[in-house]
Amino acid sequence: KAGVTQTPRYLIKTRGQQVTLSCSPISGHRSVSWYQQTPGQGLQFLFEYFSETQRNKGNFPGRFSGRQFSNSRSEMNVSTLELGDSALYLCASSLVSRSSPLHFGNGTRLTVT
Amino acid sequence: GDSVTQMEGPVTLSEEAFLTINCTYTATGYPSLFWYVQYPGEGLQLLLKATKADDKGSNKGFEATYRKETTSFHLEKGSVQVSDSAVYFCALSDQETTDSWGKLQFGAGTQVVVTP
Repeated sequence: KAGVTQTPRYLIKTRGQQVTLSCSPISGHRSVSWYQQTPGQGLQFLFEYFSETQRNKGNFPGRFSGRQFSNSRSEMNVSTLELGDSALYLCASSLVSRSSPLHFGNGTRLTVT
Repeated sequence: GDSVTQMEGPVTLSEEAFLTINCTYTATGYPSLFWYVQYPGEGLQLLLKATKADDKGSNKGFEATYRKETTSFHLEKGSVQVSDSAVYFCALSDQETTDSWGKLQFGAGTQVVVTP
């Protein structure tokens, strides 16, 4: 069974630009979540999607947004990039049952210059 | 709110040494607890989990027991190998409180370095 696939693996953008990251979950997994990982803040929850609806959102500004498609694939978008948005962005998928673990992709490394 | 505290690293060990990484948590509900491992350049991999008090999770020689009375979930391995060098994250999922399948609260991570 294929794992969680994130594209692209690496991105370099300049301040003020916007970026879209893509995530394909494990087949059968309908919940998709996004996390930001930085050396200073660690792993922080961005948002979670299920059935094309955002279920939960972390404490991030409105520049961070996402969506989920009918095939459970998900994208996240960051507009008006800031230097502080440089991070590893991780996507995870899970079954929608209690105590189901998250399965993570290898992430997209975003560098903002 | 929920939180996870784990010991700071790096933890440096010789091969075949005993490894313990301490993890304690605070939660309002009855969380599930997880240990994830991250190798350089990769995402997180589930190492083990426990869903209720006194459960023991185990995988690849690693073990952790869900201790409700001490709100702890310490990770142990009896004999580490160089290939165990990675960053280890303790995490909790409080689905009843957060109404979420995908929202985990992570600890800061502990880097483990095993030398030959």
